[in-house]
Amino acid sequence: DTGVSQDPRHKITKRGQNVTFRCDPISEHNRLYWYRQTLGQGPEFLTYFQNEAQLEKSRLLSDRFSAERPKGSFSTLEIQRTEQGDSAMYLCASSVYGGDNTGELFFGEGSRLTVL
Amino acid sequence: AQKITQTQPGMFVQEKEAVTLDCTYDTSDPSYGLFWYKQPSSGEMIFLIYQGSYDQQNATEGRYSLNFQKARKSANLVISASQLGDSAMYFCAMREGASSGSARQLTFGSGTQLTVLP
Repeated sequence: DTGVSQDPRHKITKRGQNVTFRCDPISEHNRLYWYRQTLGQGPEFLTYFQNEAQLEKSRLLSDRFSAERPKGSFSTLEIQRTEQGDSAMYLCASSVYGGDNTGELFFGEGSRLTVL
Repeated sequence: AQKITQTQPGMFVQEKEAVTLDCTYDTSDPSYGLFWYKQPSSGEMIFLIYQGSYDQQNATEGRYSLNFQKARKSANLVISASQLGDSAMYFCAMREGASSGSARQLTFGSGTQLTVLP
């Protein structure tokens, strides 16, 4: 399977614990995005990378959230001191930057976080 | 102001009938792109169709077509000959800026839950 993969698919944690999600994009894609989706809503942008550089962060990304893409391949999203309001689906997507294409995002299946 | 508005939280359609899902958008950028994604209950976002702001013709992809009315800032998705497997959440999204060279991410609407009835 050469699509975007995310791990873990489901995570249940207690409030105050740290969690980390991993995303492996499509190999030739140089852009990687993180979105958050709560029940019944559309995905909300969190941050994105071009290669290893983090180019934009949403105001939704509080200082408890940190994302990295150290070698321009896979990315991790860490949430420290989780709160119940962090419960959501975290979606990763990748795309190709440059050239004559639409900028379509290819999404993974998401990592669902439940904070008890 | 909302950049993407989907006013239909839920829609029902009879199998084999056509259905239109509404989407209006707001941008002052002359270059933008509009996307529709499908999200079944499994959770994965599936790309359906794309319309660029300078495209002269409405986009079509199989049973999907996009009714693009630039002056009204609307980009409605039309699904013809609905199938049971079309039951899913549908999201309209916009990228501001020209093509993939834009630095902007996609902004999504709140979605429409489509149910196809047998």
